[in-house]
Amino acid sequence: ETGVTQTPRHLVMGMTNKKSLKCEQHLGHNAMYWYKQSAKKPLELMFVYSLEERVENNSVPSRFSPECPNSSHLFLHLHTLQPEDSALYLCASSLRGGGGVAKNIQYFGAGTRLSVL
Amino acid sequence: QKEVEQDPGPLSVPEGAIVSLNCTYSNSAFQYFMWYRQYSRKGPELLMYTYSSGNKEDGRFTAQVDKSSKYISLFIRDSQPSDSATYLCAMSETGKLIFGQGTTLQVKP
Repeated sequence: ETGVTQTPRHLVMGMTNKKSLKCEQHLGHNAMYWYKQSAKKPLELMFVYSLEERVENNSVPSRFSPECPNSSHLFLHLHTLQPEDSALYLCASSLRGGGGVAKNIQYFGAGTRLSVL
Repeated sequence: QKEVEQDPGPLSVPEGAIVSLNCTYSNSAFQYFMWYRQYSRKGPELLMYTYSSGNKEDGRFTAQVDKSSKYISLFIRDSQPSDSATYLCAMSETGKLIFGQGTTLQVKP
């Protein structure tokens, strides 16, 4: 496999469920990101991990809990979500710390379409 | 004021038309400018990137950056039905990308 892989592609969950989204990158990158994409809105950056340390958390509710066990894997643990959390969740990776264009280019997975009932 | 403004469209053109997609921004510190293409039910894929001002051409696609006007454009020549997608502009100063809302383009055969 190449690129950035996300699983599952689709997820339907109730408000009391606990589920996890998984992301894996095969690009040799050292930074990984979670974004939320809602209809008619720009991508919202949720979390950034660089060298497995969380370096950014953009006021995301605690019902979203990220985990980065190594530079190739990223998880987003979900619990007691709300219907307004229904969206496309995108994972991305990049080469952070390098100079120039390389550190500014992020590569995205296909996303997980989440529906909260 | 949003940092990046992009007309969401939708934009509908006939096959073969020249398409112009645009974004404006407010942060003069942005140095890196990118265009991503997102097909339905897929993640964004990098289409083009430019550094600072100027033009960059890749096949049917041309990206332009005018830093003095804080304005970037993506031109698509001889548009094809396969170009039908949402186009996202993104820009960065320090590695954090700020995205526009995306413009939905439909190219009709």
